[in-house]
Amino acid sequence: GENVEQHPSTLSVQEGDSAVIKCTYSDSASNYFPWYKQELGKRPQLIIDIRSNVGEKKDQRIAVTLNKTAKHFSLHITETQPEDSAVYFCAASDFGNEKLTFGTGTRLTIIP
Amino acid sequence: DTGVSQDPRHKITKRGQNVTFRCDPISEHNRLYWYRQTLGQGPEFLTYFQNEAQLEKSRLLSDRFSAERPKGSFSTLEIQRTEQGDSAMYLCASSPWGGDTEAFFGQGTRLTVV
Repeated sequence: GENVEQHPSTLSVQEGDSAVIKCTYSDSASNYFPWYKQELGKRPQLIIDIRSNVGEKKDQRIAVTLNKTAKHFSLHITETQPEDSAVYFCAASDFGNEKLTFGTGTRLTIIP
Repeated sequence: DTGVSQDPRHKITKRGQNVTFRCDPISEHNRLYWYRQTLGQGPEFLTYFQNEAQLEKSRLLSDRFSAERPKGSFSTLEIQRTEQGDSAMYLCASSPWGGDTEAFFGQGTRLTVV
Protein backbone atom coordinates (compact mmCIF):
# COMPACT_ATOMS: atom_id res chain seq x y z
CA GLY A 1 0.00 0.00 0.00
CA GLU A 2 0.86 3.67 -0.11
CA ASN A 3 3.37 5.11 2.36
CA VAL A 4 3.76 8.85 2.83
CA GLU A 5 6.71 10.36 4.68
CA GLN A 6 6.70 13.99 5.82
CA HIS A 7 9.53 16.27 6.97
CA PRO A 8 10.26 18.09 9.13
CA SER A 9 8.14 17.09 12.11
CA THR A 10 8.51 20.57 13.63
CA LEU A 11 9.34 23.89 12.01
CA SER A 12 9.77 27.32 13.55
CA VAL A 13 9.83 30.32 11.25
CA GLN A 14 10.09 34.05 11.88
CA GLU A 15 6.95 35.93 10.94
CA GLY A 16 7.22 37.12 7.36
CA ASP A 17 9.67 34.41 6.31
CA SER A 18 8.80 31.38 4.16
CA ALA A 19 8.10 27.83 5.31
CA VAL A 20 8.59 24.66 3.28
CA ILE A 21 7.27 21.20 4.18
CA LYS A 22 8.21 18.16 2.10
CA CYS A 23 6.54 14.81 1.53
CA THR A 24 7.47 11.69 -0.38
CA TYR A 25 5.16 8.89 -1.44
CA SER A 26 5.74 5.33 -2.55
CA ASP A 27 2.85 4.36 -4.86
CA SER A 28 3.41 5.58 -8.40
CA ALA A 29 -0.34 5.19 -9.03
CA SER A 30 -1.14 8.04 -6.62
CA ASN A 31 -2.47 11.04 -8.48
CA TYR A 32 -4.10 13.30 -5.90
CA PHE A 33 -2.12 15.15 -3.22
CA PRO A 34 -3.99 17.36 -0.74
CA TRP A 35 -2.60 19.36 2.14
CA TYR A 36 -4.60 19.76 5.34
CA LYS A 37 -4.17 22.26 8.17
CA GLN A 38 -5.24 21.25 11.65
CA GLU A 39 -5.37 23.78 14.46
CA LEU A 40 -5.38 22.56 18.03
CA GLY A 41 -8.66 20.82 18.85
CA LYS A 42 -10.12 21.46 15.42
CA ARG A 43 -10.89 19.42 12.33
CA PRO A 44 -8.38 19.02 9.49
CA GLN A 45 -9.17 21.51 6.73
CA LEU A 46 -8.00 21.39 3.15
CA ILE A 47 -5.78 24.32 2.24
CA ILE A 48 -4.60 23.29 -1.22
CA ASP A 49 -4.43 20.21 -3.41
CA ILE A 50 -2.74 19.17 -6.62
CA ARG A 51 -3.37 16.48 -9.18
CA SER A 52 -0.72 14.58 -11.08
CA ASN A 53 -1.31 16.34 -14.37
CA VAL A 54 -0.05 19.61 -12.83
CA GLY A 55 3.44 20.40 -11.57
CA GLU A 56 2.63 23.44 -9.46
CA LYS A 57 -0.40 25.18 -8.03
CA LYS A 58 -0.62 28.48 -6.18
CA ASP A 59 -3.27 30.11 -4.04
CA GLN A 60 -2.24 33.50 -2.65
CA ARG A 61 0.53 32.81 -0.11
CA ILE A 62 0.34 29.02 -0.45
CA ALA A 63 1.84 26.92 -3.23
CA VAL A 64 2.34 23.22 -3.80
CA THR A 65 4.83 21.61 -6.17
CA LEU A 66 4.79 18.03 -7.40
CA ASN A 67 7.60 15.96 -8.89
CA LYS A 68 6.05 12.70 -10.08
CA THR A 69 9.35 11.25 -11.25
CA ALA A 70 10.91 11.65 -7.82
CA LYS A 71 7.60 10.98 -6.03
CA HIS A 72 7.72 14.01 -3.85
CA PHE A 73 5.60 17.09 -3.30
CA SER A 74 6.09 20.17 -1.18
CA LEU A 75 4.05 22.90 0.50
CA HIS A 76 5.38 26.43 0.39
CA ILE A 77 3.96 29.20 2.57
CA THR A 78 5.30 32.70 1.95
CA GLU A 79 5.04 35.82 4.11
CA THR A 80 4.07 33.70 7.10
CA GLN A 81 1.65 35.10 9.69
CA PRO A 82 0.89 34.04 13.28
CA GLU A 83 -2.37 32.43 12.15
CA ASP A 84 -0.35 30.03 10.01
CA SER A 85 0.74 28.28 13.22
CA ALA A 86 -0.83 24.79 13.13
CA VAL A 87 -0.10 21.18 12.24
CA TYR A 88 0.06 20.52 8.50
CA PHE A 89 -0.55 17.11 6.95
CA CYS A 90 0.20 15.97 3.44
CA ALA A 91 -1.71 13.07 1.93
CA ALA A 92 -1.89 10.98 -1.22
CA SER A 93 -4.51 8.89 -2.96
CA ASP A 94 -5.35 7.54 -6.36
CA PHE A 95 -8.69 7.54 -8.09
CA GLY A 96 -9.10 3.80 -7.85
CA ASN A 97 -7.89 3.59 -4.27
CA GLU A 98 -10.14 6.28 -2.80
CA LYS A 99 -8.68 6.52 0.68
CA LEU A 100 -6.18 9.17 1.73
CA THR A 101 -2.84 8.09 3.19
CA PHE A 102 -1.53 10.84 5.43
CA GLY A 103 1.94 11.86 6.48
CA THR A 104 2.80 12.17 10.16
CA GLY A 105 2.37 15.94 10.23
CA THR A 106 4.51 19.05 10.66
CA ARG A 107 3.96 21.37 13.59
CA LEU A 108 4.60 24.87 12.23
CA THR A 109 5.20 27.67 14.70
CA ILE A 110 5.40 31.27 13.51
CA ILE A 111 7.56 33.38 15.80
CA PRO A 112 6.32 37.00 16.04
CA ASP B 1 -23.89 24.32 10.15
CA THR B 2 -23.91 22.40 6.87
CA GLY B 3 -20.57 20.67 7.44
CA VAL B 4 -19.84 17.16 8.66
CA SER B 5 -21.05 16.66 12.22
CA GLN B 6 -20.06 13.98 14.69
CA ASP B 7 -21.60 12.95 17.97
CA PRO B 8 -20.51 12.75 20.72
CA ARG B 9 -17.48 15.05 20.75
CA HIS B 10 -15.98 13.26 23.74
CA LYS B 11 -16.53 9.80 25.19
CA ILE B 12 -14.94 8.27 28.26
CA THR B 13 -15.63 4.58 28.74
CA LYS B 14 -14.38 1.75 30.84
CA ARG B 15 -12.38 -1.02 29.27
CA GLY B 16 -14.65 -3.77 27.99
CA GLN B 17 -17.64 -1.53 27.33
CA ASN B 18 -19.18 -0.98 23.90
CA VAL B 19 -19.33 2.48 22.33
CA THR B 20 -21.07 3.88 19.26
CA PHE B 21 -20.28 7.06 17.39
CA ARG B 22 -22.40 8.85 14.81
CA CYS B 23 -21.43 10.85 11.75
CA ASP B 24 -23.72 13.02 9.64
CA PRO B 25 -22.01 13.86 6.34
CA ILE B 26 -22.68 16.78 4.04
CA SER B 27 -26.03 15.90 2.55
CA GLU B 28 -25.13 15.59 -1.13
CA HIS B 29 -21.92 13.62 -0.55
CA ASN B 30 -21.90 9.97 -1.63
CA ARG B 31 -18.62 9.04 0.02
CA LEU B 32 -18.20 8.71 3.78
CA TYR B 33 -14.92 7.82 5.46
CA TRP B 34 -13.84 6.92 8.96
CA TYR B 35 -10.29 7.68 10.12
CA ARG B 36 -8.55 7.29 13.45
CA GLN B 37 -5.98 9.79 14.70
CA THR B 38 -3.68 9.30 17.65
CA LEU B 39 -1.58 12.03 19.26
CA GLY B 40 1.20 13.26 17.01
CA GLN B 41 0.12 11.18 14.03
CA GLY B 42 -1.79 11.77 10.85
CA PRO B 43 -5.27 10.31 10.38
CA GLU B 44 -5.27 6.58 9.54
CA PHE B 45 -7.92 5.17 7.23
CA LEU B 46 -10.40 2.73 8.78
CA THR B 47 -13.22 2.26 6.28
CA TYR B 48 -15.33 4.00 3.67
CA PHE B 49 -18.81 3.88 2.18
CA GLN B 50 -20.18 4.76 -1.20
CA ASN B 51 -23.80 5.45 -0.41
CA GLU B 52 -24.84 2.50 1.80
CA ALA B 53 -22.19 0.09 0.54
CA GLN B 54 -19.06 -0.43 2.64
CA LEU B 55 -16.39 -0.75 -0.03
CA GLU B 56 -13.16 -1.05 1.89
CA LYS B 57 -11.97 -1.84 5.39
CA SER B 58 -8.46 -1.35 6.72
CA ARG B 59 -6.52 -4.11 8.43
CA LEU B 60 -6.62 -1.72 11.42
CA LEU B 61 -10.33 -2.46 11.72
CA SER B 62 -10.43 -5.53 13.93
CA ASP B 63 -13.50 -7.71 14.40
CA ARG B 64 -14.44 -5.52 17.36
CA PHE B 65 -15.11 -2.61 15.03
CA SER B 66 -18.19 -2.36 12.84
CA ALA B 67 -19.49 0.48 10.74
CA GLU B 68 -22.81 1.00 9.04
CA ARG B 69 -24.45 3.51 6.76
CA PRO B 70 -27.91 1.95 6.42
CA LYS B 71 -29.68 4.52 4.26
CA GLY B 72 -26.68 6.08 2.64
CA SER B 73 -26.93 9.13 4.86
CA PHE B 74 -25.55 9.08 8.43
CA SER B 75 -23.07 6.44 9.58
CA THR B 76 -22.30 4.76 12.88
CA LEU B 77 -19.03 3.27 14.10
CA GLU B 78 -19.30 0.77 16.93
CA ILE B 79 -16.42 -0.54 18.99
CA GLN B 80 -17.16 -3.60 21.08
CA ARG B 81 -15.20 -4.63 24.17
CA THR B 82 -13.10 -1.49 24.13
CA GLU B 83 -9.40 -1.67 24.94
CA GLN B 84 -7.04 1.07 26.11
CA GLY B 85 -5.38 0.99 22.70
CA ASP B 86 -8.65 2.16 21.17
CA SER B 87 -8.18 5.58 22.78
CA ALA B 88 -7.91 8.03 19.90
CA MET B 89 -9.72 10.70 17.92
CA TYR B 90 -12.18 9.14 15.48
CA LEU B 91 -12.69 11.37 12.47
CA CYS B 92 -15.42 11.15 9.89
CA ALA B 93 -15.11 12.73 6.46
CA SER B 94 -17.32 12.97 3.40
CA SER B 95 -16.69 13.84 -0.21
CA PRO B 96 -18.61 14.12 -3.45
CA TRP B 97 -18.47 11.36 -6.02
CA GLY B 98 -14.85 10.53 -6.85
CA GLY B 99 -11.72 9.72 -4.89
CA ASP B 100 -9.74 12.73 -6.01
CA THR B 101 -12.06 15.35 -4.58
CA GLU B 102 -11.82 17.24 -1.32
CA ALA B 103 -12.68 15.28 1.80
CA PHE B 104 -14.45 17.41 4.41
CA PHE B 105 -13.76 16.35 7.96
CA GLY B 106 -15.92 16.50 11.04
CA GLN B 107 -14.70 17.70 14.42
CA GLY B 108 -14.12 14.13 15.54
CA THR B 109 -15.05 12.05 18.56
CA ARG B 110 -12.33 11.78 21.17
CA LEU B 111 -12.50 8.37 22.85
CA THR B 112 -10.75 7.70 26.13
CA VAL B 113 -10.77 4.15 27.45
CA VAL B 114 -9.94 3.90 31.15
